[in-house]
Formats: sequence, structure tokens, C-alpha cells
Amino acid sequence: DTAVSQTPKYLVTQMGNDKSIKCEQNLGHDTMYWYKQDSKKFLKIMFSYNNKELIINETVPNRFSPKSPDKAHLNLHINSLELGDSAVYFCASSQERMQYFGPGTRLTVT
Amino acid sequence: RKEVEQDPGPFNVPEGATVAFNCTYSNSASQSFFWYRQDCRKEPKLLMSVYSSGNEDGRFTAQLNRASQYISLLIRDSKLSDSATYLCVASYGGATNKLIFGTGTLLAVQP
Repeated sequence: DTAVSQTPKYLVTQMGNDKSIKCEQNLGHDTMYWYKQDSKKFLKIMFSYNNKELIINETVPNRFSPKSPDKAHLNLHINSLELGDSAVYFCASSQERMQYFGPGTRLTVT
Repeated sequence: RKEVEQDPGPFNVPEGATVAFNCTYSNSASQSFFWYRQDCRKEPKLLMSVYSSGNEDGRFTAQLNRASQYISLLIRDSKLSDSATYLCVASYGGATNKLIFGTGTLLAVQP
């Protein structure tokens, strides 16, 4: 059974386009996250939602907008994609201290 | 300076070797600490939590020194399957449970 799932797994798109990544967790967790892992493999938190409420918003361009329709879903919409947005985006969820990650979405902007 | 610092490696060790990874964190407000493991092109997975009293899980031993703001991971009797990147993680806990990741240490176990 997949605990944290993301779609799509791979996304190749051109500069200037708008794209969305979806995340779902079936663990019953209250908190979900988006992380970005860049080409140097550095993993950095972008956003966190707790019960559909935004609680962490790191210094991320306004082009990135998370949306949580319910506590099992956290989607990430990116407007006007730039070359520097190319990275692997991981969704995660947690209850208390342990975080569980989805398989990642590899975004390539050309 | 990064909040969580690790030696990036790579650490190339033969099977059966004992290998130790170190990590330092700069924010004394950090409450919880973890080691995550990340295989190539996969998601990070929790390996173990780290406590001041030290904790052991099979061949893996983790230790936290709050006074020195230092975390370690010891792997005994290395297996080929231990080859991965090991991520040191500090958490502020609380409602945000924000995790701060180190850049990872690459371990390659050779046959």
C-alpha cells in the first residue's frame, strides 16, 4: 500500500509554462510538506500544512503556490516555470516527529 | 554556514568494515535529531532517531552530544546494501516539526 504518493513522477516542460504536482497520503497524518532537492542533492523545506492550514512558508518565490483541499492532499502549483526550478520535489507527511516521504517528482524545465 | 553540516564523502569501505559519520548542527534550539537514508533517485527514508543516551538498531548506533552539538552514526559490519547517502537531520519540533537536512554523506561499500 502506498503511504505517500505523488503524481506525476516525471515532468518535462518549457520555461514559462504553469504546472501542478499532486500529493496524497493515506496515513491519516495531520501535517504535510513540500521539499525541494536541487542538483547538489540539498533537501530544503518549502511549505508545510497542518489540517489544511499553512504553517511553514520558507523563502519561496510567489510563483509557487501550495493548496490543500483536505488534510490528505497537498498540491503544488508552479507558475511561469524557470530553468532554476528544475529539481526533485518531495512531498512528505507526519504525525508527531516522524516524516514519511513520497517517491518524488523530477521536474525538468527546458 | 549551513545549519546542519556533514562531510559529503564519499566514504569507500570494504564489506565488513565499520564506518562512522559525523554531523554538527548550529542551532541549539533544535529538539530532535534523526538519520535518514536516501538511495540513488529515491526518497529519503527514516533510518533512526538519535537520543542523548545513544540508541542502537542492529548494526547501527546513533549518538547525540548536545553540549558539542554533534551527532554521529556508526555502521558495523558494512553490507553492500548499506551503500546510500546518509542524511543528518535536526528538527525544531513543536507545531511546525520543521526538519533541517544536512547535505548528506555518500557511502559506497565495496565487495
